[in-house]
Amino acid sequence: DAKTTQPPSMDCAEGRAANLPCNHSTISGNEYVYWYRQIHSQGPQYIIHGLKNNETNEMASLIITEDRKSSTLILPHATLRDTAVYYCIVRVVGANSKLTFGKGITLSVRP
Amino acid sequence: GAVVSQHPSWVICKSGTSVKIECRSLDFQATTMFWYRQFPKQSLMLMATSNEGSKATYEQGVEKDKFLINHASLTLSTLTVTSAHPEDSSFYICSASMGEKQFFGPGTRLTVL
Repeated sequence: DAKTTQPPSMDCAEGRAANLPCNHSTISGNEYVYWYRQIHSQGPQYIIHGLKNNETNEMASLIITEDRKSSTLILPHATLRDTAVYYCIVRVVGANSKLTFGKGITLSVRP
Repeated sequence: GAVVSQHPSWVICKSGTSVKIECRSLDFQATTMFWYRQFPKQSLMLMATSNEGSKATYEQGVEKDKFLINHASLTLSTLTVTSAHPEDSSFYICSASMGEKQFFGPGTRLTVL
């Protein structure tokens, strides 16, 4: 799997949008971009994934650049409960396909 | 939908004993499940890939005789830590594949005294 790079941490104010960047410059054509988050002492939670088009669901939006070398996860209205470690992972789709976790980015939402 | 459970949520055992952790997909069938381990302040490390009805595939450096994995049905995979020692104390997390996504269990905290 291609590697991703994320800043180690960032913070944002409650109620504001949180924009989490991710670089994946060596992504292959058949690899998707996935985002998961892990709240302290819990299992990771799926957020969103995409191939090349922008995606939106009830949790977040995923913006992928046209060259697919980077992406941004957007939490439109961050709350204190969004404080977590967010992982950006690239992965080919398939039942046996692994998720390889890096260090992620720690998002701290401040009141 | 897409709920994965683990049992127990935490366990404390004496050194030398074996501990079994169950992972269940509650509302879907999963031909493939994964087992991860996470040490404090570190990221998740994949231990093995478990396929229903076949032997698990272990990642490099993971002892298959120490971490026994059984995936006997489409909704249940078990991880047995044999002859546990204090260095096996960790947070063990399973996940199950459903389509393009993987869903994770809540994790099991193992403490070996």
